[in-house]
Amino acid sequence: DQQVKQNSPSLSVQEGRISILNCDYTNSMFDYFLWYKKYPAEGPTFLISISSIKDKNEDGRFTVFLNKSAKHLSLHIVPSQPGDSAVYFCANDMRFGAGTRLTVKP
Amino acid sequence: DTGVSQDPRHKITKRGQNVTFRCDPISEHNRLYWYRQTLGQGPEFLTYFQNEAQLEKSRLLSDRFSAERPKGSFSTLEIQRTEQGDSAMYLCASRWSSGGVHNEQFFGPGTRLTVL
Repeated sequence: DQQVKQNSPSLSVQEGRISILNCDYTNSMFDYFLWYKKYPAEGPTFLISISSIKDKNEDGRFTVFLNKSAKHLSLHIVPSQPGDSAVYFCANDMRFGAGTRLTVKP
Repeated sequence: DTGVSQDPRHKITKRGQNVTFRCDPISEHNRLYWYRQTLGQGPEFLTYFQNEAQLEKSRLLSDRFSAERPKGSFSTLEIQRTEQGDSAMYLCASRWSSGGVHNEQFFGPGTRLTVL
């Protein structure tokens, strides 16, 4: 039973625009979420996290929003850069979503 | 390089053979995780260790899979009697865990297994 869901397998945006990646979860007991980024032939690397006591966490161009009532979180990348092109995973501890492949076009 | 390393990076085997993968975590990390990833999916949890103790195994993990972390440092994952469905990327990750502190996992580059 998948408990962390990313329903958009891919997203394409223009350089300089905003990228919004979405993630839904089913267990309201989850209290901490992480986003990882993965380039081809490499393992995932940590990007940003958020605790359930917050509804927003920002780190440079990356912001994660958490909506606990909707059991939904989103990752915003502003402005998007071609180097951001990768697969992004939403995770809670050992549970990962299926990932969203982001392509940022120059 | 003091990151997580995995060996081998690629393994091709014939159906029915046994394979073993090794993971060397970041030295000060007490937790070590194994995941399997197939095309279009996220990492799927297999098992994890705290020091040398195996604390959790996925219910989906076949009994053909076994993992060890004998001295609380490196870990091995063995797959016996491989099947074509075992073809996947096997990822290892480690982190330091202390009480309720949440922090990220550090992943190795993975071992890609192909079963012919």
